[in-house]
Amino acid sequence: DTEVTQTPKHLVMGMTNKKSLKCEQHMGHRAMYWYKQKAKKPPELMFVYSYEKLSINESVPSRFSPECPNSSLLNLHLHALQPEDSALYLCASSQDRQSYNEQFFGPGTRLTVL
Amino acid sequence: AQSVSQHNHHVILSEAASLELGCNYSYGGTVNLFWYVQYPGQHLQLLLKYFSGDPLVKGIKGFEAEFIKSKFSFNLRKPSVQWSDTAEYFCAVKVSGGYNKLIFGAGTRLAVHP
Repeated sequence: DTEVTQTPKHLVMGMTNKKSLKCEQHMGHRAMYWYKQKAKKPPELMFVYSYEKLSINESVPSRFSPECPNSSLLNLHLHALQPEDSALYLCASSQDRQSYNEQFFGPGTRLTVL
Repeated sequence: AQSVSQHNHHVILSEAASLELGCNYSYGGTVNLFWYVQYPGQHLQLLLKYFSGDPLVKGIKGFEAEFIKSKFSFNLRKPSVQWSDTAEYFCAVKVSGGYNKLIFGAGTRLAVHP
């Protein structure tokens, strides 16, 4: 199984809502990533988890809160988002953090903030 | 800071035409190089990658890329495109020995007409 799954596929939320994005992989990978992709732009790294610990936060606002409950799951908790946070949120995983390891991407969650 | 430039934002070709997409990066050290493809409505998929060795790399679906270190380039080529190659193509760079952070170029949107 070389698949990274993400739920939900689409999410619409208001600025006062709290929601969560979910990512799952069963490849035994120990590094997982969140990326943000605005329309017609490349993906930009947000967070890196390595062995269930947050290792990189690319200066992401605190209204985005990642969580890695176990080695297969990665969540992104959303609270008090702004309309400019509307984007495709991509999850990826790799065997570990080493740079030579390929990252496998999920299909993304398309988030709209009203 | 590392950056990636893709020269063409939009490319339109007829089927059977040859394709070359340009990619240049800025970083003086050793890098790992990638081309990803994003078909309409689908997730990012790895086309090919270069870590070391033969600078001419062959990937899936008949794609190849050549790493020219002196030019900081990693151009993608395909001798004869098909309608099914219509997609967005992203060049990406990782600093070798770094923490597996992918830096993407802006992407090239390819449309192939039958």
